[in-house]
Amino acid sequence: GQQLNQSPQSMFIQEGEDVSMNCTSSSIFNTWLWYKQDPGEGPVLLIALYKAGELTSNGRLTAQFGITRKDSFLNISASIPSDVGIYFCAGQGGKLIFGQGTELSVKP
Amino acid sequence: KAGVTQTPRYLIKTRGQQVTLSCSPISGHRSVSWYQQTPGQGLQFLFEYFSETQRNKGNFPGRFSGRQFSNSRSEMNVSTLELGDSALYLCASSLFSSQTGGTEAFFGQGTRLTVV
Repeated sequence: GQQLNQSPQSMFIQEGEDVSMNCTSSSIFNTWLWYKQDPGEGPVLLIALYKAGELTSNGRLTAQFGITRKDSFLNISASIPSDVGIYFCAGQGGKLIFGQGTELSVKP
Repeated sequence: KAGVTQTPRYLIKTRGQQVTLSCSPISGHRSVSWYQQTPGQGLQFLFEYFSETQRNKGNFPGRFSGRQFSNSRSEMNVSTLELGDSALYLCASSLFSSQTGGTEAFFGQGTRLTVV
């Protein structure tokens, strides 16, 4: 079945550093979505990507839809303590398939 | 505009019992999907309903079932609960946009089910 490989699984960084995470798939997706989840809460949509090659920003977040339609990355610039959480990528080609998540820890 | 509402937020049940979880999607959204989230397995797709019909189904046993009503509200039922069913159950509502050609899914806060 369809699978997404998200990496890294976890990151422990210093406040102010930039962060990069990515997702790859063996399948083509029509849409890539990036979510952030805080403990005990539902995932919150950060960025949606609809076209191959599309680069979209939301504040300090930037995400790109890979030109092969099989990958996507998310960058966070100048991280702050409230960026802590688990970030998920999701690909849509019918149903929504999620990556395993990247747990981000930020040290003040 | 109200977001996705899931009830209850927390639930404790005993093995063998059954449970029903409820999800009210964003107004105008006709698609509702359910996910199970556990620390070891991540977000696992259960099923999707669109206009009262199940459109997609994940790899879960028949003890997991769902339905959608004419007002797009959805319920999920788990019968004969097992300890391994303890998880955060998440509901997402989505709407296809002809403008973008894509679909955005928005999640509720989830129902934390504990089976003892």
